[in-house]
Amino acid sequence: QITLKESGPTLVKPTQTLTLTCTFSGFSLSTSGVGVGWIRQPPGKALEWLALIYWDDDKRYSPSLKSRLTITKDTSKNQVVLTMTNMDPVDTATYYCAHRQGDYGSGVNYFDYWGQGTLVTVSS
Amino acid sequence: SYELTQPPSVSVSPGQTARITCSADALPKQYAYWYQQKPGQAPVLVIYKDSERPSGIPERFSGSSSGTTVTLTISGVQAEDEADYYCQSADSSGTFVVFGGGTKLTVL
Repeated sequence: QITLKESGPTLVKPTQTLTLTCTFSGFSLSTSGVGVGWIRQPPGKALEWLALIYWDDDKRYSPSLKSRLTITKDTSKNQVVLTMTNMDPVDTATYYCAHRQGDYGSGVNYFDYWGQGTLVTVSS
Repeated sequence: SYELTQPPSVSVSPGQTARITCSADALPKQYAYWYQQKPGQAPVLVIYKDSERPSGIPERFSGSSSGTTVTLTISGVQAEDEADYYCQSADSSGTFVVFGGGTKLTVL
């Protein structure tokens, strides 16, 4: 059974760096083909993909946010960490991590298991 | 930036068929995926690789593709299908993940 859970601060101040942790079970990020992604959703708005990390440490970032994002993995802890720098009120959103499914190298990436999400508010 | 275009809203009566479209230039080259999201809940995958249905998803959910448009079809819509639906795909190179703007399905 695959489960994922996001954790991190619920409130950050503008210009601060956000660090979110995704702790998962039921799969290993050392297994070929496995990946974990981050997706966010501002209140009342659409889903937005942020980043993706694969078992081989290949990393992909949203072009519009690439300069602010870093995704890393700790295979021994079954965790994936996302950092986002220079937070702004427009970054207020529910942040989800999700298990990536698909065919590596072919552009086939989709998310078959999601965490419950964590709401992050950016405010002074 | 690459975008997937969905209608903001679709309304149908119970028992009717709902069709939600998603359009983008790279869809002939890239698969599409569909997610259902109910208020306060995480998205749920309902269709993958254009037309495949994950286990546990009712048969009334189906997907199709034609050129630059993919379509999620819900046959015999039920009240519980009222939700936001998002398409997802990749850019033409297959490097990046992209979500559509979402479609709110209202069951009248």
